[in-house]
Amino acid sequence: GAGVSQSPSNKVTEKGKDVELRCDPISGHTALYWYRQSLGQGLEFLIYFQGNSAPDKSGLPSDRFSAERTGGSVSTLTIQRTQQEDSAVYLCASSLASQGAFYGYTFGSGTRLTVV
Amino acid sequence: AQTVTQSQPEMSVQEAETVTLSCTYDTSESNYYLFWYKQPPSRQMILVIRQEAYKQQNATENRFSVNFQKAAKSFSLKISDSQLGDTAMYFCAFMKHLSTGNQFYFGTGTSLTVIP
Repeated sequence: GAGVSQSPSNKVTEKGKDVELRCDPISGHTALYWYRQSLGQGLEFLIYFQGNSAPDKSGLPSDRFSAERTGGSVSTLTIQRTQQEDSAVYLCASSLASQGAFYGYTFGSGTRLTVV
Repeated sequence: AQTVTQSQPEMSVQEAETVTLSCTYDTSESNYYLFWYKQPPSRQMILVIRQEAYKQQNATENRFSVNFQKAAKSFSLKISDSQLGDTAMYFCAFMKHLSTGNQFYFGTGTSLTVIP
């Protein structure tokens, strides 16, 4: 696609339920990031995929968070047993690996998750 | 560890005036990249300008320019002839390139309001 697509745009869920957030990167982009942006905060790194390499999961806040990237394209971020502190905007970004340093990354519009 | 500090949570400027947003960072790296991103209410992060640390010349993109002071680890953004469409959150970001991929670090943002 022309840009990074994230779905759903907004998600309201009950505490304790599991949620899946989807990121569809730009076709051909091998690098993919997930970030979390809490109200009034900066971007918190969650996880990074680069090609077929093992993902960098060092930013995942707890074992309730996991992510996968199938076929080197679409990525899904899963949050199990959601808590109210998980409420935030979850942003995905992608880049051609070799160009990320020169052009930064292309971000999606994010998924606003609200846990009630 | 790398940290990025934006000490101005909120700023405002009159339309057509000039405003400068500050950013400082802390790193032991000698080669890295710096970015300013804009996040309008649509939530999508938009790359405004970038700077390679090995370049002494300050980057410029139309009305946007930076003052990069490597020794002081400072990277401020100047917006000239401010327009109403410049109203947004602005994030300063630091990136270093690793053999395993890129590491991105963001500041907490500055909310800029352009007043008509």
